[in-house]
Amino acid sequence: EAGVAQSPRYKIIEKRQSVAFWCNPISGHATLYWYQQILGQGPKLLIQFQNNGVVDDSQLPKDRFSAERLKGVDSTLKIQPAKLEDSAVYLCASSLDQGEAFFGQGTRLTVV
Amino acid sequence: GDSVTQMEGPVTLSEEAFLTINCTYTATGYPSLFWYVQYPGEGLQLLLKATKADDKGSNKGFEATYRKETTSFHLEKGSVQVSDSAVYFCALSAVFNDYKLSFGAGTTVTVRA
Repeated sequence: EAGVAQSPRYKIIEKRQSVAFWCNPISGHATLYWYQQILGQGPKLLIQFQNNGVVDDSQLPKDRFSAERLKGVDSTLKIQPAKLEDSAVYLCASSLDQGEAFFGQGTRLTVV
Repeated sequence: GDSVTQMEGPVTLSEEAFLTINCTYTATGYPSLFWYVQYPGEGLQLLLKATKADDKGSNKGFEATYRKETTSFHLEKGSVQVSDSAVYFCALSAVFNDYKLSFGAGTTVTVRA
């Protein structure tokens, strides 16, 4: 069974630029999560989708972050414009039920 | 809201030592509890889970028991190896919170030969 795929693995941008991350969940998984993991901290949930609907986006900084999940499968997370404090690893995960989530390798973003 | 508190690290041990990482939770109802592990340079992997009180999750020599009376899910391993060096995260999800998966801050464990 293929795992959660994310791209790119690494990205370096200047502040005020925009960036987008892509995630392809495990086939058949209805729930998709985006997490932000700052160095030395636990993952923080940014947004949770159930199929193509948003379940929770209370922690998403909506003035600069946006996410979509077209057709309930792939998802993209965008940051525009980026700030220095957005430097982190962005993790995508998917789940079939009961909250047991499977994670991708993550995208390490460095904002300079 | 639902939350997880886990023991701060870093923890440094010698091979074959006993490892305990404490985790307590606050949640509405009866959440499912998880331990995830992140090896250097890799993504998060599910290590073990428990979905109801008194359940014991186990995997790779690690164990954790869901204790409702103490709202705890402590991770233990009787004899650690160098390959167990990683960051360990306690997490929970609950149907009352739409299965939002909430993580603790993580505990870095280093095992020395």
